[in-house]
Amino acid sequence: GAGVSQSPSNKVTEKGKDVELRCDPISGHTALYWYRQSLGQGLEFLIYFQGNSAPDKSGLPSDRFSAERTGGSVSTLTIQRTQQEDSAVYLCASSLGWRGQGQETQYFGPGTRLLVL
Amino acid sequence: AQKITQTQPGMFVQEKEAVTLDCTYDTSDQSYGLFWYKQPSSGEMIFLIYQGSYDEQNATEGRYSLNFQKARKSANLVISASQLGDSAMYFCAMTPYSSASKIIFGSGTRLSIRP
Repeated sequence: GAGVSQSPSNKVTEKGKDVELRCDPISGHTALYWYRQSLGQGLEFLIYFQGNSAPDKSGLPSDRFSAERTGGSVSTLTIQRTQQEDSAVYLCASSLGWRGQGQETQYFGPGTRLLVL
Repeated sequence: AQKITQTQPGMFVQEKEAVTLDCTYDTSDQSYGLFWYKQPSSGEMIFLIYQGSYDEQNATEGRYSLNFQKARKSANLVISASQLGDSAMYFCAMTPYSSASKIIFGSGTRLSIRP
């Protein structure tokens, strides 16, 4: 079946502009995650959705970052008034949402490479 | 504290040799999952293998096997007969079952395969 898809694959924007990043999870996956990865670094957790609810937003770095998920499927990560330090690869992952027997395995999309000039 | 430690920032291996990537973890949870992911230069995170904390046998997936030593809290990845395409960054990760959302990643090991 289809994997996790993300769009756009690349985004160049000017400082101060808003951007929207989209994630389409694997069909049937109830859990969805957003991460950020700066060049040469590990993954930084941003937010977790279970269905349309976001029980863990602890990783969002500032109130300029927000995310929503509709219909238990597609999610959008919005960054308002972008700053140069927001430049990174934004990765989305989805999982079945259960714990045990590998059902918590997260499958990642190809990422969106964001460059803020 | 919950933590993953990968002590090898980089490794060079000759093609067709086996390679072991080290991973140790720290958690107070009795139930957890352990994972390895591969990240090639393209940037995508590719799931390789999973081991549950209650699984008695080591997980295997093709050329990948996970050497799980629970008492030592170690979950090393073994790649048999390495190939040039195995050159990538490898991340060890853990999901403690006490948290629905948390997945903890190690800092990664960059593996380079020499022809």
